[in-house]
Amino acid sequence: QKEVEQDPGPLSVPEGAIVSLNCTYSNSAFQYFMWYRQYSRKGPELLMYTYSSGNKEDGRFTAQVDKSSKYISLFIRDSQPSDSATYLCAMSSGSARQLTFGSGTQLTVLP
Amino acid sequence: EAQVTQNPRYLITVTGKKLTVTCSQNMNHEYMSWYRQDPGLGLRQIYYSMNVEVTDKGDVPEGYKVSRKEKRNFPLILESPSPNQTSLYFCASSSLSEETQYFGPGTRLLVL
Repeated sequence: QKEVEQDPGPLSVPEGAIVSLNCTYSNSAFQYFMWYRQYSRKGPELLMYTYSSGNKEDGRFTAQVDKSSKYISLFIRDSQPSDSATYLCAMSSGSARQLTFGSGTQLTVLP
Repeated sequence: EAQVTQNPRYLITVTGKKLTVTCSQNMNHEYMSWYRQDPGLGLRQIYYSMNVEVTDKGDVPEGYKVSRKEKRNFPLILESPSPNQTSLYFCASSSLSEETQYFGPGTRLLVL
Protein backbone atom coordinates (compact mmCIF):
# COMPACT_ATOMS: atom_id res chain seq x y z
CA GLN A 1 0.00 0.00 0.00
CA LYS A 2 1.29 3.44 -0.92
CA GLU A 3 1.82 5.94 1.88
CA VAL A 4 -0.21 8.52 -0.02
CA GLU A 5 -3.16 7.61 -2.24
CA GLN A 6 -4.63 10.02 -4.74
CA ASP A 7 -7.33 9.36 -7.32
CA PRO A 8 -5.61 9.91 -10.68
CA GLY A 9 -8.77 10.99 -12.47
CA PRO A 10 -8.98 12.32 -15.07
CA LEU A 11 -11.60 14.70 -13.73
CA SER A 12 -13.55 16.90 -16.12
CA VAL A 13 -15.90 19.65 -14.92
CA PRO A 14 -17.72 22.62 -16.48
CA GLU A 15 -16.50 26.13 -15.86
CA GLY A 16 -17.85 27.54 -12.60
CA ALA A 17 -18.14 24.16 -10.88
CA ILE A 18 -16.81 23.42 -7.42
CA VAL A 19 -13.98 20.92 -7.60
CA SER A 20 -12.99 18.59 -4.79
CA LEU A 21 -9.62 16.86 -4.89
CA ASN A 22 -8.63 14.38 -2.20
CA CYS A 23 -5.78 12.35 -0.81
CA THR A 24 -5.60 9.74 1.90
CA TYR A 25 -2.48 8.72 3.74
CA SER A 26 -1.33 6.04 6.14
CA ASN A 27 1.54 7.68 8.05
CA SER A 28 0.15 9.28 11.19
CA ALA A 29 3.40 11.22 11.64
CA PHE A 30 2.68 13.47 8.65
CA GLN A 31 2.15 17.03 9.79
CA TYR A 32 3.04 19.18 6.76
CA PHE A 33 0.46 19.06 3.97
CA MET A 34 0.78 20.72 0.61
CA TRP A 35 -0.95 20.95 -2.73
CA TYR A 36 1.05 21.53 -5.87
CA ARG A 37 -0.30 22.44 -9.28
CA GLN A 38 1.47 21.21 -12.39
CA TYR A 39 0.63 22.53 -15.82
CA SER A 40 1.46 20.41 -18.84
CA ARG A 41 5.19 20.39 -19.62
CA LYS A 42 5.97 22.47 -16.52
CA GLY A 43 7.36 21.85 -13.08
CA PRO A 44 5.04 21.72 -10.04
CA GLU A 45 4.31 24.95 -8.20
CA LEU A 46 3.17 25.24 -4.60
CA LEU A 47 -0.50 26.15 -4.34
CA MET A 48 -1.42 25.63 -0.70
CA TYR A 49 0.45 24.74 2.47
CA THR A 50 -1.04 23.64 5.79
CA TYR A 51 0.67 22.64 8.97
CA SER A 52 -1.20 20.06 11.08
CA SER A 53 -5.02 20.00 11.00
CA GLY A 54 -7.55 22.58 9.96
CA ASN A 55 -8.58 24.66 6.99
CA LYS A 56 -6.78 27.27 4.97
CA GLU A 57 -8.32 29.52 2.37
CA ASP A 58 -6.63 31.48 -0.40
CA GLY A 59 -8.95 33.11 -2.88
CA ARG A 60 -10.89 30.40 -4.69
CA PHE A 61 -8.85 27.63 -3.09
CA THR A 62 -9.48 25.96 0.27
CA ALA A 63 -7.30 23.25 1.76
CA GLN A 64 -8.62 20.99 4.51
CA VAL A 65 -6.73 18.53 6.67
CA ASP A 66 -8.43 15.90 8.82
CA LYS A 67 -5.66 14.09 10.66
CA SER A 68 -8.08 11.85 12.54
CA SER A 69 -9.25 10.39 9.22
CA LYS A 70 -5.86 10.78 7.50
CA TYR A 71 -7.58 12.66 4.72
CA ILE A 72 -6.81 15.94 3.00
CA SER A 73 -8.82 17.89 0.46
CA LEU A 74 -8.44 20.80 -1.91
CA PHE A 75 -11.56 22.65 -2.99
CA ILE A 76 -11.62 24.97 -5.97
CA ARG A 77 -14.61 27.32 -6.18
CA ASP A 78 -15.79 28.89 -9.41
CA SER A 79 -13.38 26.77 -11.40
CA GLN A 80 -11.83 28.32 -14.51
CA PRO A 81 -10.31 26.77 -17.65
CA SER A 82 -6.96 28.12 -16.40
CA ASP A 83 -7.29 25.72 -13.45
CA SER A 84 -6.85 22.81 -15.85
CA ALA A 85 -3.73 21.05 -14.60
CA THR A 86 -2.53 18.09 -12.58
CA TYR A 87 -2.87 18.58 -8.84
CA LEU A 88 -0.42 16.80 -6.57
CA CYS A 89 -0.85 16.39 -2.85
CA ALA A 90 2.34 16.15 -0.81
CA MET A 91 3.04 15.61 2.85
CA SER A 92 5.86 15.25 5.29
CA SER A 93 6.58 14.38 8.90
CA GLY A 94 9.85 16.00 9.85
CA SER A 95 10.46 18.74 7.32
CA ALA A 96 8.41 20.68 4.84
CA ARG A 97 10.99 19.72 2.23
CA GLN A 98 11.18 15.93 2.67
CA LEU A 99 7.91 15.28 0.90
CA THR A 100 5.95 12.19 -0.06
CA PHE A 101 3.82 12.97 -3.10
CA GLY A 102 0.57 11.53 -4.32
CA SER A 103 0.44 10.42 -7.93
CA GLY A 104 -1.60 13.46 -8.99
CA THR A 105 -5.14 14.13 -10.24
CA GLN A 106 -5.55 15.47 -13.76
CA LEU A 107 -8.25 18.16 -13.86
CA THR A 108 -9.84 19.68 -16.95
CA VAL A 109 -12.23 22.63 -16.65
CA LEU A 110 -14.34 22.95 -19.76
CA PRO A 111 -15.33 26.44 -20.97
CA GLU B 1 13.91 36.58 -12.85
CA ALA B 2 14.08 34.06 -10.00
CA GLN B 3 14.22 30.60 -11.47
CA VAL B 4 15.54 27.07 -11.52
CA THR B 5 17.00 26.01 -14.85
CA GLN B 6 17.72 22.51 -16.08
CA ASN B 7 19.65 21.31 -19.09
CA PRO B 8 19.05 19.55 -21.31
CA ARG B 9 15.24 19.58 -21.43
CA TYR B 10 15.10 16.44 -23.55
CA LEU B 11 17.66 13.68 -23.84
CA ILE B 12 17.77 10.35 -25.64
CA THR B 13 20.69 8.12 -24.82
CA VAL B 14 21.73 4.47 -24.80
CA THR B 15 22.29 2.08 -21.95
CA GLY B 16 25.61 2.58 -20.21
CA LYS B 17 26.54 5.97 -21.66
CA LYS B 18 27.30 8.34 -18.80
CA LEU B 19 25.28 11.53 -18.71
CA THR B 20 24.86 14.61 -16.57
CA VAL B 21 21.77 16.75 -16.14
CA THR B 22 22.58 20.21 -14.87
CA CYS B 23 20.51 22.25 -12.44
CA SER B 24 21.11 25.85 -11.49
CA GLN B 25 19.19 28.31 -9.32
CA ASN B 26 19.66 32.06 -8.95
CA MET B 27 17.81 32.54 -5.65
CA ASN B 28 20.72 31.82 -3.31
CA HIS B 29 18.81 28.85 -1.90
CA GLU B 30 20.56 26.51 0.49
CA TYR B 31 18.41 23.48 -0.26
CA MET B 32 18.34 21.69 -3.61
CA SER B 33 16.79 18.41 -4.60
CA TRP B 34 16.25 16.03 -7.49
CA TYR B 35 13.02 14.15 -8.18
CA ARG B 36 11.84 11.74 -10.80
CA GLN B 37 8.23 11.61 -11.92
CA ASP B 38 6.71 8.44 -13.31
CA PRO B 39 3.06 7.72 -14.25
CA GLY B 40 1.09 6.41 -11.30
CA LEU B 41 3.99 6.94 -8.90
CA GLY B 42 4.08 10.69 -8.51
CA LEU B 43 7.27 12.52 -7.65
CA ARG B 44 9.95 10.58 -5.81
CA GLN B 45 13.02 12.18 -4.33
CA ILE B 46 16.38 10.95 -5.60
CA TYR B 47 18.92 13.06 -3.70
CA TYR B 48 18.91 16.31 -1.81
CA SER B 49 21.42 18.82 -0.51
CA MET B 50 21.06 21.07 2.50
CA ASN B 51 24.04 23.21 1.51
CA VAL B 52 27.39 23.19 -0.29
CA GLU B 53 29.23 19.86 0.10
CA VAL B 54 26.26 18.38 2.00
CA THR B 55 24.23 15.78 0.12
CA ASP B 56 21.99 12.92 1.20
CA LYS B 57 19.97 10.11 -0.32
CA GLY B 58 16.28 10.44 -0.96
CA ASP B 59 13.84 7.61 -1.56
CA VAL B 60 15.23 6.28 -4.86
CA PRO B 61 19.00 7.03 -5.04
CA GLU B 62 20.17 3.82 -6.73
CA GLY B 63 21.94 4.47 -10.03
CA TYR B 64 22.37 8.20 -9.45
CA LYS B 65 25.08 10.50 -8.14
CA VAL B 66 25.04 14.17 -7.25
CA SER B 67 27.52 16.82 -6.21
CA ARG B 68 27.16 20.25 -4.64
CA LYS B 69 30.39 22.14 -5.12
CA GLU B 70 28.71 25.51 -5.54
CA LYS B 71 25.58 26.84 -3.92
CA ARG B 72 23.79 27.52 -7.20
CA ASN B 73 24.48 24.23 -8.99
CA PHE B 74 23.36 20.67 -8.27
CA PRO B 75 24.08 18.32 -11.18
CA LEU B 76 22.55 14.86 -11.42
CA ILE B 77 24.88 12.20 -12.78
CA LEU B 78 23.91 8.85 -14.26
CA GLU B 79 27.15 6.88 -14.50
CA SER B 80 25.64 3.94 -16.40
CA PRO B 81 22.04 4.69 -17.39
CA SER B 82 19.58 1.85 -17.75
CA PRO B 83 16.12 1.77 -19.39
CA ASN B 84 14.41 1.84 -15.97
CA GLN B 85 15.83 5.34 -15.51
CA THR B 86 13.68 6.58 -18.37
CA SER B 87 11.65 9.25 -16.63
CA LEU B 88 10.85 12.92 -16.19
CA TYR B 89 13.34 14.56 -13.84
CA PHE B 90 12.81 17.72 -11.81
CA CYS B 91 15.28 19.79 -9.87
CA ALA B 92 13.96 21.96 -7.04
CA SER B 93 15.39 24.51 -4.66
CA SER B 94 14.27 26.13 -1.45
CA SER B 95 15.41 28.52 1.19
CA LEU B 96 15.76 26.81 4.57
CA SER B 97 13.60 29.57 6.06
CA GLU B 98 10.52 28.84 3.93
CA GLU B 99 8.43 25.84 2.94
CA THR B 100 8.11 26.54 -0.75
CA GLN B 101 10.16 24.48 -3.17
CA TYR B 102 10.70 26.01 -6.59
CA PHE B 103 10.82 23.47 -9.37
CA GLY B 104 12.67 23.58 -12.65
CA PRO B 105 10.93 22.91 -15.98
CA GLY B 106 11.90 19.25 -16.08
CA THR B 107 14.20 17.03 -18.14
CA ARG B 108 12.65 14.19 -20.09
CA LEU B 109 15.11 11.31 -20.37
CA LEU B 110 14.78 8.26 -22.58
CA VAL B 111 17.32 5.47 -22.15
CA LEU B 112 17.32 2.93 -24.98
